[in-house]
Amino acid sequence: QITLKESGPTLVKPTQTLTLTCTFSGFSLSSNGVGVGWIRQPPGKALECLALIYWDDDKRYSPSLKSRLTITKDTLKNQVVLTMTNMDPVDTATYYCAHLMSGYGSEYFDYWGQGTLVSVST
Amino acid sequence: DIQMTQSPSSLSASIGDRVSITCRASQNIRKYLNWFQQKPGKAPKLLIYSASSLQSGVPSRFSGSGSGTDFTLTISSLHPEDFATYFCQQSYIAGFTFGPGTNVDIK
Repeated sequence: QITLKESGPTLVKPTQTLTLTCTFSGFSLSSNGVGVGWIRQPPGKALECLALIYWDDDKRYSPSLKSRLTITKDTLKNQVVLTMTNMDPVDTATYYCAHLMSGYGSEYFDYWGQGTLVSVST
Repeated sequence: DIQMTQSPSSLSASIGDRVSITCRASQNIRKYLNWFQQKPGKAPKLLIYSASSLQSGVPSRFSGSGSGTDFTLTISSLHPEDFATYFCQQSYIAGFTFGPGTNVDIK
């Protein structure tokens, strides 16, 4: 059974750096074809994929946010960490992590965490 | 970036209705298109991957079609639990952009 759970601060101040941790079980991030992604959703708005990390440590970032994002994995701890620098009130959103299946002709998020709401405010 | 659009942005339908939602990509994404259902306060749920493959456990009334730039999600007969927001997502190029969503509510 695959599960994922996000953890981190619920409130950050503008200009601070956000660090979120995704702790997962039921799969290994060293298995071929597996990845973990971070996706966010501002209140009442659409989803936005922020970053992906694959089993082989390949990393992909949203082009518009690439300069602010870093994604890393700890295979032994079953964790993926996302850092986002220079936070702004527009970054207020629910942040999800999700399990990614990657294969020939397909890549998709099939299991999601419950999400964590992060507010950016003074 | 690949831009994703969806139409309609919202629709009202009745139980038993056949419903179709369209998703369009700004460039060819082959069949790298996924569909999600989301209910208020919940994480998205994968329905369809690779444009037309039904995710395990998803009812067969959901189906997907299309390739290239134009895609469709169809619900053959709307059930009460299907009232939700539906998002398409391209997984062809980094960014994995989502569409803006289609809200399906009760007529």
